[in-house]
Amino acid sequence: AAGVIQSPRHLIKEKRETATLKCYPIPRHDTVYWYQQGPGQDPQFLISFYEKMQSDKGSIPDRFSAQQFSDYHSELNMSSLELGDSALYFCASSLRGIQETQYFGPGTRLLVL
Amino acid sequence: KNQVEQSPQSLIILEGKNCTLQCNYTVSPFSNLRWYKQDTGRGPVSLTIMTFSENTKSNGRYTATLDADTKQSSLHITASQLSDSASYICVVPLGAGNMLTFGGGTRLMVKP
Repeated sequence: AAGVIQSPRHLIKEKRETATLKCYPIPRHDTVYWYQQGPGQDPQFLISFYEKMQSDKGSIPDRFSAQQFSDYHSELNMSSLELGDSALYFCASSLRGIQETQYFGPGTRLLVL
Repeated sequence: KNQVEQSPQSLIILEGKNCTLQCNYTVSPFSNLRWYKQDTGRGPVSLTIMTFSENTKSNGRYTATLDADTKQSSLHITASQLSDSASYICVVPLGAGNMLTFGGGTRLMVKP
């Protein structure tokens, strides 16, 4: 079965650079979630989209923005990168419902030097 | 404050043995509780979802229990295998939007 696809899988950037992470949800899933997981930490919810509209906002820095496109894929744009942004960034997708399961992608490992 | 706390933080067991992981939560309002398994460097994989009306739910060798009165859940792993070595995370959605609040996880290591 198709899973959530994230690209790139690994990314190395320098401080103050920008990065764009992409997420392709499971076909027919209408909701996308972004999470940030620092080394040894729990995943932290950043932002989610339902039907291309922002549905919830978590601890996403102002330097980050995201959107969901007409084909339901989502992009997380990160500007003015800081060392502390080094983390695993997970995208999850689901089909909106009362108990929908969020299916996580493999993650993008971002390293800021 | 909405919180999800897990114990123990880490656990080492021998292959074939059983173990039980604990989760206490204070998230309100409560709709459901999920257990995820996360291998190092990989995305979490859902094991079970339980609503407040469910007491027990099984998924193969994994059995989750939920006591909505005491706000406690447990995940019991039977006849552990080496591949069970991973972090097990208790997750509760926060609010109607299903933002997931993750517990600290229990890092399980199964040794031969």
